[in-house]
Amino acid sequence: DAGVIQSPRHEVTEMGQEVTLRCKPISGHDYLFWYRQTMMRGLELLIYFNNNVPIDDSGMPEDRFSAKMPNASFSTLKIQPSEPRDSAVYFCASRTSSRGWNSPLHFGNGTRLTVT
Amino acid sequence: DQQVKQNSPSLSVQEGRISILNCDYTNSMFDYFLWYKKYPAEGPTFLISISSIKDKNEDGRFTVFLNKSAKHLSLHIVPSQPGDSAVYFCAAQGAQKLVFGQGTRLTINP
Repeated sequence: DAGVIQSPRHEVTEMGQEVTLRCKPISGHDYLFWYRQTMMRGLELLIYFNNNVPIDDSGMPEDRFSAKMPNASFSTLKIQPSEPRDSAVYFCASRTSSRGWNSPLHFGNGTRLTVT
Repeated sequence: DQQVKQNSPSLSVQEGRISILNCDYTNSMFDYFLWYKKYPAEGPTFLISISSIKDKNEDGRFTVFLNKSAKHLSLHIVPSQPGDSAVYFCAAQGAQKLVFGQGTRLTINP
C-alpha cells in the first residue's frame, strides 16, 4: 500500500498564474478530501468527494478554486489565478467506508504552495 | 467560526512525565473524535479515537478522555518520550466531515 500520493511536493509560482495540485488516493478508498493548512486556521476542509462525486465544497474559499475527480484514482485541485494569500500546505486524504463510517483519514505528505 | 479549538499553540514537557493536550468543540452533533499526530514535512497520521458514547479510550501510552457535557476532550501521553515531539491535531466528525483544530506543538525535553 503506497499511501496517498500528492504531487508536486513543493510549488513556487507568481501571482496570477494557474496552479494545479494532484492527488492519488489509496486504492479502494471511496472518499477523498482536500484540506489546507495555515498557521492561523490550522487544517481547513476545502472539499470532499464520495465515489468521485463532489459532496460538499462549502470550504472552497473562492471561485478561483476548483477541484475535480475524473476517476477513482485521481483528483486535482486548481487555483486560477493564484494569489499570495493562497500560500499554504495543501493536503489530500482518503478513507474507506467499508470499515464503517468512522474509519480514519489517511493523509498524503502535502504540497507546499508559495505564491510570490 | 472555529468549531474545534485547541487553545494551547504549544506545550513543553519533560521526558517521562505526562503530556496533556486539550481540545474544545462547539457542535453537539459531532459523534466521533480523533487525534492526529504530525511530523514536519509529513501528513497527519491517525493516533487514537473515541466515540461519543464512551468517555475514555486507551491505547498503550495514549488515552483520550471525552466530557460531552463540557464539550471537551483531552489526550494523555504517559510516559512522554522524545519521539512524541510533534504537532497534535484534535478532530471531530459529523456528517462524514472531519473538522480539525489548529494544532498543538508538543516538545518533549530530555
